[in-house]
Amino acid sequence: ETGVTQTPRHLVMGMTNKKSLKCEQHLGHNAMYWYKQSAKKPLELMFVYSLEERVENNSVPSRFSPECPNSSHLFLHLHTLQPEDSALYLCASSQDLVGVRIYNEQFFGPGTRLTVL
Amino acid sequence: GQQLNQSPQSMFIQEGEDVSMNCTSSSIFNTWLWYKQDPGEGPVLLIALYKAGELTSNGRLTAQFGITRKDSFLNISASIPSDVGIYFCAGQPSYNTDKLIFGTGTRLQVFP
Repeated sequence: ETGVTQTPRHLVMGMTNKKSLKCEQHLGHNAMYWYKQSAKKPLELMFVYSLEERVENNSVPSRFSPECPNSSHLFLHLHTLQPEDSALYLCASSQDLVGVRIYNEQFFGPGTRLTVL
Repeated sequence: GQQLNQSPQSMFIQEGEDVSMNCTSSSIFNTWLWYKQDPGEGPVLLIALYKAGELTSNGRLTAQFGITRKDSFLNISASIPSDVGIYFCAGQPSYNTDKLIFGTGTRLQVFP
């Protein structure tokens, strides 16, 4: 138990569906992240939020829409996805975004296994 | 962009054997980290290395931050079945952010 929870754990959706992934952290952290993990590829950073403000969007298609209503919650809204978007989506949080020469450990949630049919 | 080359991709070993895996890059990193991911879970931090040349242990795990700051290795001694999983290296390219670059992972299988 890392203090970061994600729901749902598994999601199957059609290409025309709209769904949302939820992440919640109970660690009092200020920074939250969305990653995509595909087979045989490195974890891909998608979005970074610091104090509820999006600070990074790594060229992610607009069919993925993040939302961070407060520092404890992070959502990823999905619409008109493609089969190649099937992957494990991981949420992470860290104390702060600025390292100040000491890395602030990222704590990962268990992920949502997404399958797009 | 910055990339980490992690090897080997997979390892199949007997319980009790020692394991070694490494990560290399053409770029310099300020921090090197090693994570382990169990099936159905997210990655969990094993060891963090902050200085070039640093050698750090965590139980049966030992990791080193290369002198050139472009590589790192992880050793596991006397492997046990619960060591099974995927091991990722990750590098922090800048002190100004906690952003990480991840390697492709080493899948470890331990046979009794």
